Amino acid sequence: AQSVAQPEDQVNVAEGNPLTVKCTYSVSGNPYLFWYVQYPNRGLQFLLKYITGDNLVKGSYGFEAEFNKSQTSFHLKKPSALVSDSALYFCAGTSFSARQLTFGSGTQLTVLP
Amino acid sequence: DVKVTQSSRYLVKRTGEKVFLECVQDMDHENMFWYRQDPGLGLRLIYFSYDVKMKEKGDIPEGYSVSREKKERFSLILESASTNQTSMYLCASRPPGLAGSSSYNEQFFGPGTRLTVL
Repeated sequence: AQSVAQPEDQVNVAEGNPLTVKCTYSVSGNPYLFWYVQYPNRGLQFLLKYITGDNLVKGSYGFEAEFNKSQTSFHLKKPSALVSDSALYFCAGTSFSARQLTFGSGTQLTVLP
Repeated sequence: DVKVTQSSRYLVKRTGEKVFLECVQDMDHENMFWYRQDPGLGLRLIYFSYDVKMKEKGDIPEGYSVSREKKERFSLILESASTNQTSMYLCASRPPGLAGSSSYNEQFFGPGTRLTVL
């Protein structure tokens, strides 16, 4: 069975500092990995995905993520955090043989002014 | 832009009632999904559908059923609502594309329905 883990329930960072939200995965075969963001009382918005190719993936709102096969990780990063980045972030993954996306438990990011 | 709409943002029902949650997407996507979101548990898949009249169970189908009579509409049904079904329900759709190719697409989510069962 596939699984996605987000080890931190909460991440706090000061505005202007770099941020990292962690994600590790366990899937059979080559992974397809996604990051979504959820603002209060809203649905999920797609940020970026890794399917194949470069290990560094760039996405919306200045976010990027680094795929690391040896560490089975797909951490979300941003060089300089904004207060408006405060939201709930979900990592998700699947594989060729799976028919559904598996989500992590979510990480609440708070950017402090 | 893809638009996924859900019939209600907030819903309050009583134990034992039959509840219908409706989801409509406007981009002709084959694949549609129903999730529930609970704090600390992330999103868990209830049911999904990859074509009209087709459905498959997800991870937590017990107590739920679905209907997909038209391509754009995917309904979630709680046959007899219980308090443990109080949750946020999210619908999503995804364009076609086989896994294993670069066309594996992301899902597009509706705004969610927060259901409270009393």
